[in-house]
Amino acid sequence: EAGVVQSPRYKIIEKKQPVAFWCNPISGHNTLYWYRQNLGQGPELLIRYENEEAVDDSQLPKDRFSAERLKGVDSTLKIQPAELGDSAVYLCASSPTASGNTIYFGEGSWLTVV
Amino acid sequence: GDSVTQMEGPVTLSEEAFLTINCTYTATGYPSLFWYVQYPGEGLQLLLKATKADDKGSNKGFEATYRKETTSFHLEKGSVQVSDSAVYFCADSNDYKLSFGAGTTVTVRA
Repeated sequence: EAGVVQSPRYKIIEKKQPVAFWCNPISGHNTLYWYRQNLGQGPELLIRYENEEAVDDSQLPKDRFSAERLKGVDSTLKIQPAELGDSAVYLCASSPTASGNTIYFGEGSWLTVV
Repeated sequence: GDSVTQMEGPVTLSEEAFLTINCTYTATGYPSLFWYVQYPGEGLQLLLKATKADDKGSNKGFEATYRKETTSFHLEKGSVQVSDSAVYFCADSNDYKLSFGAGTTVTVRA
């Protein structure tokens, strides 16, 4: 069974440029998460989807970050414009449902803003 | 909000040594508790979990017991191998999201 697939794996951009990350969750998983992991820290939740609905986006910096999951499967996370402090690993994860299930992570998209 | 505190690293051990990484949580109620592992260049993988008090999660020789009385979920392995070198993250699950500790880097020398 395929795991959570993310792309690109690595991205280097100049500040003020836009960037987008794509995620394909495990087939059948209704819940999708985007986490951000800063160097030397644990991941922090940005947004959680139940199917196509964003049910928790309280930690998403909405002035520059946006996300969508239009058909309740794939998801895209966008940053526009990027700032130096956005350099981090962006992790997508999925689970069958939100309640009590194991969350499976993708390998992450490593962003460097210069 | 909820927080998970784990032992700071880095930790360096010799092969066959005993490993313990302390983890405490502050979530109220009965959160599920997890240990995730991140090997060099790879994504986060679930190592083990426990969903209720006194449960013991185990996998690949690692164990952790859910201690409600001390709000702890310490990770242990009796004899580590070089291949156990990784970053280990403790996490709790409450209110439908995982909250992670800062991670502990473990290096095992041959």
